[in-house]
Amino acid sequence: GENVEQHPSTLSVQEGDSAVIKCTYSDSASNYFPWYKQELGKRPQLIIDIRSNVGEKKDQRIAVTLNKTAKHFSLHITETQPEDSAVYFCAASLNNAGNMLTFGGGTRLMVKP
Amino acid sequence: NAGVTQTPKFQVLKTGQSMTLQCAQDMNHNSMYWYRQDPGMGLRLIYYSASEGTTDKGEVPNGYNVSRLNKREFSLRLESAAPSQTSVYFCASSDWGTSGSHEQFFGPGTRLTVL
Repeated sequence: GENVEQHPSTLSVQEGDSAVIKCTYSDSASNYFPWYKQELGKRPQLIIDIRSNVGEKKDQRIAVTLNKTAKHFSLHITETQPEDSAVYFCAASLNNAGNMLTFGGGTRLMVKP
Repeated sequence: NAGVTQTPKFQVLKTGQSMTLQCAQDMNHNSMYWYRQDPGMGLRLIYYSASEGTTDKGEVPNGYNVSRLNKREFSLRLESAAPSQTSVYFCASSDWGTSGSHEQFFGPGTRLTVL
């Protein structure tokens, strides 16, 4: 089955700096890659996703890049703010509908004011 | 709209006891899912239901059963709870196959402790 690895497990940045979280996946057939944000004690929420026919996608301060050849994708957060502090999860799916999501282990991002 | 709701919020069981976790969604979504979240291991899919009347195993189905009662409700049952099932359980739903969006919406979670 699919295996998703995520690095780093913890990341501490100063407010205003950029943060980058990287994920690799094992199955070249995976074609859907969402990122979820989970604040402490809360439910995961989708922040951005990308499909395999697209190399990059941006939404304000957040961007995701995908390298299908290398089987890795990354989340980039620019101008970080304290409210960006949370755990971020990447995921990969073999199915366009996203039914069988395999999640990475998570990255705890801490933004210091 | 309440979105995805789960009951109970917290539960403590003794080894060998059984219980059912309830999940309901009011977004008219076709697909529903059960995940467990353990520290440092992300979310792992237990079972999912692509549409009403169907269920399939996910990554970690052993020790669990599910029922897709109708389009709104998807329950998870632990027949004989074990300490290894201590975890936070999340239900989710998505609108697969209709709107084109693949976003999974999560419930608030159930924190289960098995002693």
